[in-house]
Amino acid sequence: QLQLQESGPGLVKPSETLSLTCTVSGGSISSSNYYWGWIRQPPGKGLEWIGSIHYSGNTYYNPSLKSRVTISVDTSKNHFSLKLSSVTAADTAVYYCARHRFEVPDAFDMWGQGTMVTVSS
Amino acid sequence: DIQMTQSPSTLSASVGDRVTITCRASQSISTWLAWYQQKPGKAPKLLIYKASSLESGVPSRFSGSGSGTEFTLTISSLQPDDFATYYCQQYNNYSWTFGQGTKVEIK
Repeated sequence: QLQLQESGPGLVKPSETLSLTCTVSGGSISSSNYYWGWIRQPPGKGLEWIGSIHYSGNTYYNPSLKSRVTISVDTSKNHFSLKLSSVTAADTAVYYCARHRFEVPDAFDMWGQGTMVTVSS
Repeated sequence: DIQMTQSPSTLSASVGDRVTITCRASQSISTWLAWYQQKPGKAPKLLIYKASSLESGVPSRFSGSGSGTEFTLTISSLQPDDFATYYCQQYNNYSWTFGQGTKVEIK
């Protein structure tokens, strides 16, 4: 059974870079034509797509975050990563990694449990 | 960017009620619309994709319809496990946007 697990610091200082990793277990990140994504949810608010990546390296970013976001994939470690630079308190959120549906990446069919990241000095 | 607007924001209903949630897109998205259920402290769960296709394992009381810019999620007979927040999400040309959510509360 495929599982996704987010990991990374729970506290990041303002102006610094938030770095998270999503480790995929129970399957290979590069075995099929899947896309992988990051979504976040500020406390008490809705969901915001951050960006997505294909194992080949093709990336797609939310235009509102594009200047600060980098998503990468490491097939040897079976994980993909998120870097969000110049963070502020507005970036405080639960960050989820997720898998897009097979072939046509229209929806997210598997999710990690999420990890809370707080931006504070 | 395509904006998604859900209504209502909150819905109060009783067990056994038929519940309908609406989602509108700011431009046509054909049938590239998904619905999710989220419970407190949990990750969202995919219910419906391609506007009306039921995800494997999801009870048949959930159904979706619509195309273009207007979509609905219907729960035919609300069960205790269905009290949660529901989100719609669109896909268009490698860009994804969620609606603001609809909270289904116990009446």
